[in-house]
Amino acid sequence: DGGITQSPKYLFRKEGQNVTLSCEQNLNHDAMYWYRQDPGQGLRLIYYSQIVNDFQKGDIAEGYSVSREKKESFPLTVTSAQKNPTAFYLCASRLLAGGSDTQYFGPGTRLTVL
Amino acid sequence: SQQGEEDPQALSIQEGENATMNCSYKTSINNLQWYRQNSGRGLVHLILIRSNEREKHSGRLRVTLDTSKKSSSLLITASRAADTASYFCATDPGSARQLTFGSGTQLTVLP
Repeated sequence: DGGITQSPKYLFRKEGQNVTLSCEQNLNHDAMYWYRQDPGQGLRLIYYSQIVNDFQKGDIAEGYSVSREKKESFPLTVTSAQKNPTAFYLCASRLLAGGSDTQYFGPGTRLTVL
Repeated sequence: SQQGEEDPQALSIQEGENATMNCSYKTSINNLQWYRQNSGRGLVHLILIRSNEREKHSGRLRVTLDTSKKSSSLLITASRAADTASYFCATDPGSARQLTFGSGTQLTVLP
């Protein structure tokens, strides 16, 4: 069963804690993306990676960090420096070769800060 | 910053009616895509239209693109209650750069 998986589905964090959100894909896609979605809003890009061991900041990278040690994995860490982390986080991937322009999304992780 | 802006923000129609959503954007694009999101779920790709295309169809979906006006519309014909969702346009500048999403239209189809 191919696709993108995100875990956990729900995550609760105390203020001052770092948490890591998992994103895995078995589509052999080159690029992976992290977005943040606030209630009633569109998606804002946090980080993206087009190749292993390389990633770029998006529009709202402050307070977040990522790694891309393997092609299929792109975990996102929400650090204590992120002042308002409560949101819905979406991971996506895309095949760059062959001209495919479609992004495929995971089911999302809802993070709540207590 | 948001590249695409959808209009209206919310739309409520009866089952069987057509639903039209509009998207405006600011900079040049390689293609424009429409995605659907059911409440609390990930986004699902619906349709892509390239900058050299004016209209595209997929099942009950019809997308138009006017690059001179920097606008696109998504028409869903013969709507069903299951079409209730948020719909987002996303612009792609090309060169494998990232998509920029609009703020979405919340469509409610009443049975």
